Amino acid sequence: DTGVSQDPRHKITKRGQNVTFRCDPISEHNRLYWYRQTLGQGPEFLTYFQNEAQLEKSRLLSDRFSAERPKGSFSTLEIQRTEQGDSAMYLCASSPVEGRGYEQYFGPGTRLTVT
Amino acid sequence: AQSVTQLDSQVPVFEEAPVELRCNYSSSVSVYLFWYVQYPNQGLQLLLKYLSGSTLVESINGFEAEFNKSQTSFHLRKPSVHISDTAEYFCAVHILTGGGNKLTFGTGTQLKVEL
Repeated sequence: DTGVSQDPRHKITKRGQNVTFRCDPISEHNRLYWYRQTLGQGPEFLTYFQNEAQLEKSRLLSDRFSAERPKGSFSTLEIQRTEQGDSAMYLCASSPVEGRGYEQYFGPGTRLTVT
Repeated sequence: AQSVTQLDSQVPVFEEAPVELRCNYSSSVSVYLFWYVQYPNQGLQLLLKYLSGSTLVESINGFEAEFNKSQTSFHLRKPSVHISDTAEYFCAVHILTGGGNKLTFGTGTQLKVEL
């Protein structure tokens, strides 16, 4: 068990560009979550997958954001036409099957800076 | 809407002194409660959790938290802090009914341990 991994760790992009982040969850976890954390705030929920199905999306997830988990393993989060307000830490988490407490295990995050 | 309040944004404390980090939540239904710790430039690590049973839960590094249903609180305490405890601490709730599968986080408390 190597934990949740995210790639890249840092991304600097110019406004208007598209970016894509990847998350690899803990292998036996079937639930995967994306959160966004801005300076001085706690993480805010963006979206959640159970296996390959995207079951829940926050209102924070505008139509410029899209997330996928095509084979129920890794996930990608894409932001199109980035804006300066998208600058944040994007966190991925995974959790084991239902009944084991709903604790979520977080990756190190991808820090996005939009210039 | 459910919310989590961490009233103290920063808590300075001298090494070996006791500390309490406060967390209150608002929910009319049952919850699971968590404390996460975030060291500089790292992701969130699960510190401890309350799911059911004994209202006092402990972590392996000396922290403890007590669930108080009547006061809707889950304060984090440590009787004697170490310099290595310097980090940001987040309280989070999982709403068991109607809250989806997300965690709702507080805004965090920066614990700064000084010599």
